[in-house]
This record gives sequence, structure tokens and C-alpha cells, in this order.
Amino acid sequence: EAAVTQSPRNKVAVTGGKVTLSCNQTNNHNNMYWYRQDTGHGLRLIHYSYGAGSTEKGDIPDGYKASRPSQENFSLILELATPSQTSVYFCASGDGGVSYEQYFGPGTRLTVL
Amino acid sequence: QQKVQQSPESLTVSEGAMASLNCTFSDGTSNNFRWYRQHSAKGLEVLVSIFSDGEKEEGRFTAHLNRANLHVSLHIREPQPSDSAVYLCANSNTGYQNFYFGKGTSLTVIP
Repeated sequence: EAAVTQSPRNKVAVTGGKVTLSCNQTNNHNNMYWYRQDTGHGLRLIHYSYGAGSTEKGDIPDGYKASRPSQENFSLILELATPSQTSVYFCASGDGGVSYEQYFGPGTRLTVL
Repeated sequence: QQKVQQSPESLTVSEGAMASLNCTFSDGTSNNFRWYRQHSAKGLEVLVSIFSDGEKEEGRFTAHLNRANLHVSLHIREPQPSDSAVYLCANSNTGYQNFYFGKGTSLTVIP
């Protein structure tokens, strides 16, 4: 069964620390996405990728980096975590076809103290 | 940047009664719309995708799109307590990677 998985599911980090959120998909989709979900804002796109080696900025990329080392894996990196980055992060994959359907992982809850 | 507004913020219906959720968007060139369901602490499950004006049915879920009125709705027939969740509307222009999401409607179905 095609799936998008994320790790860790929960993370507590300290201000100024480095955080890496990982995403793996078995859908064989070219496109992958990172969103954050905050109360009052809905989901907002941080970074996305068209394939291995590519990363593109979404609507709110400041403070985040992304890495796509392979078709299956897409990471979100917070080099210097801040309390404002406390949120729930969702990864998604999509085939980029006519429907532009996106399939979401279960989310990672990040708390930065 | 597109704006997507959902109403109501919360909705309570009795099991078996029709549930209707609304979404308005700001960009009349949008041509790719979908409704997602999000159960607490879980990911998003796509319910209906709709690309042209009119109606699209997927089981008990029916989406109605009227781009002239910048409006898309979701109707849930015979809702069940297991349908209690947050429902998210999203839209984009085909060819663009960015989906714009509303803040969601929290639906509670009481037995």
C-alpha cells in the first residue's frame, strides 16, 4: 500500500538547536511537499521538490531548509530552531499529474522550548 | 496570495442529517479544488477533487463548484459519528505546486 511516513512523530527541541524532520514515501511520486499547520492559519507550504536533488521555496521558507537526496526521502531542516517554529508539520507526496493530488503523512508535532 | 475562507468554523449535526460546509476563494482563475478530512492528530484524507463547475460525488460526499461565485461546498449525506473531524478546503491553479488551504470546519456528528 502506498504511504507517506514521517519521523519523528513528536519532537521537543531547545531554542537554537538543529532539528531535522524526515519524510519517506513509497508512492514513487516525483513531487514532495512540507507544510506546517497552525491554529488560525490552516496549512501553509514551506518547501517542495520536483525530484531527487531539487528543492523549491514555498510561501513561508524563512528559517527552514529542505533536502531531497532520493525519490523516496525529503527532509525539513531547522538549523536554529525558534519557539515560533512550534507547530505540526506535514509531509505530502504527489505525482504532479493533471489532478495534482497530494497524499499526506500523519504529521510531526514539534515543540521548541 | 490566494485567500480561502471556510464557514462555519464549527458545525454540529445529528447522525443521519445532511451536513453542509462552505468555502469561498479569492482567485477566479483557480481550477483545482478539493476537500480533505482530518481526524484528530492524524494526516489529511482527500474526500473529493473537483475541477469544473457543477457537482462531483464520491460516496456520501458531494462537492459543488461555482467558480463565478468563487464558491465550493461539501455536502455529507447521512453523516455518522465517525465523520466527526476537521474538514479542510484547498484550491490551486493546475500547473502550480501551491495548494492554498482554508482554516477548516470542525464537524461533530452526534448519535
